[in-house]
Amino acid sequence: DSGVTQTPKHLITATGQRVTLRCSPRSGDLSVYWYQQSLDQGLQFLIQYYNGEERAKGNILERFSAQQFPDLHSELNLSSLELGDSALYFCASSVAGLAGEVSSTDTQYFGPGTRLTVL
Amino acid sequence: AQTVTQSQPEMSVQEAETVTLSCTYDTSESNYYLFWYKQPPSRQMILVIRQEAYKQQNATENRFSVNFQKAAKSFSLKISDSQLGDTAMYFCAFASPYNNNDMRFGAGTRLTVKP
Repeated sequence: DSGVTQTPKHLITATGQRVTLRCSPRSGDLSVYWYQQSLDQGLQFLIQYYNGEERAKGNILERFSAQQFPDLHSELNLSSLELGDSALYFCASSVAGLAGEVSSTDTQYFGPGTRLTVL
Repeated sequence: AQTVTQSQPEMSVQEAETVTLSCTYDTSESNYYLFWYKQPPSRQMILVIRQEAYKQQNATENRFSVNFQKAAKSFSLKISDSQLGDTAMYFCAFASPYNNNDMRFGAGTRLTVKP
């Protein structure tokens, strides 16, 4: 158990709908990262938040958005869903994640993932 | 841009034997981190081992060790005394403190340990 929790475990929805995925980081971790893993593919970085602020963006679609709340949990919102959005969505957390801090450890610990199926 | 390449899509090994998974990466930075993550059938991403680029000594975690060749930009994972529970997808990943530490993953190597 990594200490990172994600809900729900599974989500089945229809095209055009909107869903929200939730992540709670490990205690003490300030950074949250979101990744997408499509079937039989590697992980693609979507977005990172650090202490409530967006820190970095990866291959995140405009239909997707995220936020990190004062209690440090994060939500990933996926809207106007398409069949191709079906994937496993992972959240990871780390202690810091500040750019340029060579000394930061920033090992990312992953949650169990949310499997999204769009029908 | 940093890229990570795992050239072995699938590998197999007999139980109790040793196997090495390959990983190469491309970066112009001098300091960074490298990781191996394991993804068993449960799909959980589990950290196996990590290496800081400024450390010359290869990281070791029990039966798992790496061969880090910085000049060659190579980072292979050696699994000794393979166990059935090692059967999983293994991902090599790169992260840079100069790039917010968001990780770039290789495509993965599917390892099967045979009894």
